[in-house]
Amino acid sequence: SQELEQSPQSLIVQEGKNLTINCTSSKTLYGLYWYKQKYGEGLIFLMMLQKGGEEKSHEKITAKLDEKKQQSSLHITASQPSHAGIYLCGADPGSNYKLTFGKGTLLTVNP
Amino acid sequence: ETGVTQSPTHLIKTRGQQVTLRCSSQSGHNTVSWYQQALGQGPQFIFQYYREEENGRGNFPPRFSGLQFPNYSSELNVNALELDDSALYLCASKTPEADTQYFGPGTRLTVL
Repeated sequence: SQELEQSPQSLIVQEGKNLTINCTSSKTLYGLYWYKQKYGEGLIFLMMLQKGGEEKSHEKITAKLDEKKQQSSLHITASQPSHAGIYLCGADPGSNYKLTFGKGTLLTVNP
Repeated sequence: ETGVTQSPTHLIKTRGQQVTLRCSSQSGHNTVSWYQQALGQGPQFIFQYYREEENGRGNFPPRFSGLQFPNYSSELNVNALELDDSALYLCASKTPEADTQYFGPGTRLTVL
């Protein structure tokens, strides 16, 4: 079965700083999803990556999938308190939307 | 706003009891998946329904069962509740054309 490891487990940054969250898979990634979750709430879809080397951006968040398709990174530029939350990466090994998730990265942004 | 709603928001049950959680999706969302998220963990896939038939199950025992209805709503039933069943239960749904699924806000189940 596919396993996803996220690092770091938690991160505290000062508002305005850049940060990166990593997601490493034990197997080739055929579909990699990034979600954001406020504590105890549902998941908010951020981005989906499929192709090796693919990079997508939305507002100040950029996600990349490496060429070998076993690692993805999520980069936030000029962080804001609104970016605080839990970031989860999810893999879709069979393109059937039955996702395997990492344990998440807890991001705190101090004003 | 994902258009996916879940009820109830919170629920407290006693070990051994049975519980039914509900999920309501938008029209056309014919695929629904259920996930269990324990505290401090990522969501774990329970099962998926497509056009009212079970379409895959994760590593969960048979006491976890589900239904999907023609009106795009679905249920997750858990029998013989155990303490470890305490978690946030999330449903996610999608249309055939979509390349992502949309999650509801979850139901927080506490088993005492």
